[in-house]
Amino acid sequence: AQTVTQSQPEMSVQEAETVTLSCTYDTSENNYYLFWYKQPPSRQMILVIRQEAYKQQNATENRFSVNFQKAAKSFSLKISDSQLGDTAMYFCASDSGNTPLVFGKGTRLSVIA
Amino acid sequence: DTEVTQTPKHLVMGMTNKKSLKCEQHMGHRAMYWYKQKAKKPPELMFVYSYEKLSINESVPSRFSPECPNSSLLNLHLHALQPEDSALYLCASSRFGDSRLEQFFGPGTRLTVL
Repeated sequence: AQTVTQSQPEMSVQEAETVTLSCTYDTSENNYYLFWYKQPPSRQMILVIRQEAYKQQNATENRFSVNFQKAAKSFSLKISDSQLGDTAMYFCASDSGNTPLVFGKGTRLSVIA
Repeated sequence: DTEVTQTPKHLVMGMTNKKSLKCEQHMGHRAMYWYKQKAKKPPELMFVYSYEKLSINESVPSRFSPECPNSSLLNLHLHALQPEDSALYLCASSRFGDSRLEQFFGPGTRLTVL
C-alpha cells in the first residue's frame, strides 16, 4: 500500500520569498511517480510538477522545483519568488500504476502581500 | 481543448431523489476517474474507467452508480443518498489509461444532500 504524509497543514510566505512544502511517502513499488497538485480556492486542481522515481534529476517547472530524496522517501516542493496566485491547497501524491493516485492531506499555503 | 467539464456546478437533492452528474473531455484521454472530496480533505478515489471499462471500484456504496457511455463521457448516477454524501465530486482524465500520467481535473460538482 502507498501512503503519503504532509506534515504541514498550513504555511504562509511573503510575496517574492521562497517557501518549501514537505512530503514523505512510502511504497513497496519500484516504478512510481510523484506529483504536486495545486487546488486554488474554488478553482480546478492542476498539476504543478511530476517526478518519475527512476530519474535522479530533480524536476523543475519555472518557479517550482522539487527535492527528491529517494532513499529517504522525501519529495519536497520549493516555490521561488512566491506570487499571490500561488495561494492554494497543495497536495503531494504518489502513483505506482498498480494502485492509482494516493494524496496526502494537503498543505494550505497563503502568500501574503 | 484541454479541459474537463462537469455539470451541474451545484446540486441539491433529497434523500429519495435520483440525479446524475456528468463529466466530459475531448482530449482523447482513455482513462476517467471519479473522486469525492470533503471540505479541507484530499480527494478520495471512487471509480476508474480505463478504455471505457470499469477497472477500479473503491468499495463505493451501491447508491453511487458510474457509467461510461463512450470515451469522452462519464456519468455518476445518484440514488437514495445520505446527508454524509454531501461533498465536492471531481472528475478527472488521463491519457492512455495510465494514471501515472498527469490527471486533468474538472471544476467539480458541489453536492448537497438534504
